[in-house]
Amino acid sequence: GAGVSQSPSNKVTEKGKDVELRCDPISGHTALYWYRQSLGQGLEFLIYFQGNSAPDKSGLPSDRFSAERTGGSVSTLTIQRTQQEDSAVYLCASSPTGARNEQFFGPGTRLTVL
Amino acid sequence: DAKTTQPPSMDCAEGRAANLPCNHSTISGNEYVYWYRQIHSQGPQYIIHGLKNNETNEMASLIITEDRKSSTLILPHATLRDTAVYYCIVRVATSGSARQLTFGSGTQLTVLP
Repeated sequence: GAGVSQSPSNKVTEKGKDVELRCDPISGHTALYWYRQSLGQGLEFLIYFQGNSAPDKSGLPSDRFSAERTGGSVSTLTIQRTQQEDSAVYLCASSPTGARNEQFFGPGTRLTVL
Repeated sequence: DAKTTQPPSMDCAEGRAANLPCNHSTISGNEYVYWYRQIHSQGPQYIIHGLKNNETNEMASLIITEDRKSSTLILPHATLRDTAVYYCIVRVATSGSARQLTFGSGTQLTVLP
């Protein structure tokens, strides 16, 4: 079946520009996570959506970062006024309901801010 | 979440079983053992998880000791495509709350031809 998809796969932008990253989770998964991973580093949690509940934004590094999830499915992560330190791979994961709670990751979007 | 300890690297011959150990001596009774892997330049991939019984799926087997203080992930017939960093995570499996993943340093498994 279809897994988590993300677009674009690569994005190169200039410092100060805004970018939007898209995530299509697995159909029926109610939980959606955004992480980022810098080169050679671990996962950094950004934001979490669960059904219709208010998102957990505790991992967002600054107010330049925001995310929304429309209709409980597709999610968009927006970074305004990008900085060079925003360069990383942005990963989206979705998870089904229930106690199993394993997360299924997309291939990521590699963001490079020049 | 309980702390886990894994060897930093391991080699395995192609076609042989790869046995990846993980120590989690401070595991609590309601914490599960999860295994993920990350192939270079790809997103993490869920492999398997278990509570106290041994588990097997199409990818791997998970053997958890009776005292639950350690576990072993077994890839029965390793292929070159199994070369990746393997992460052992111990966490409560709770629905309805943010259970963001935190990976340690993991084990770099290299499958040799």
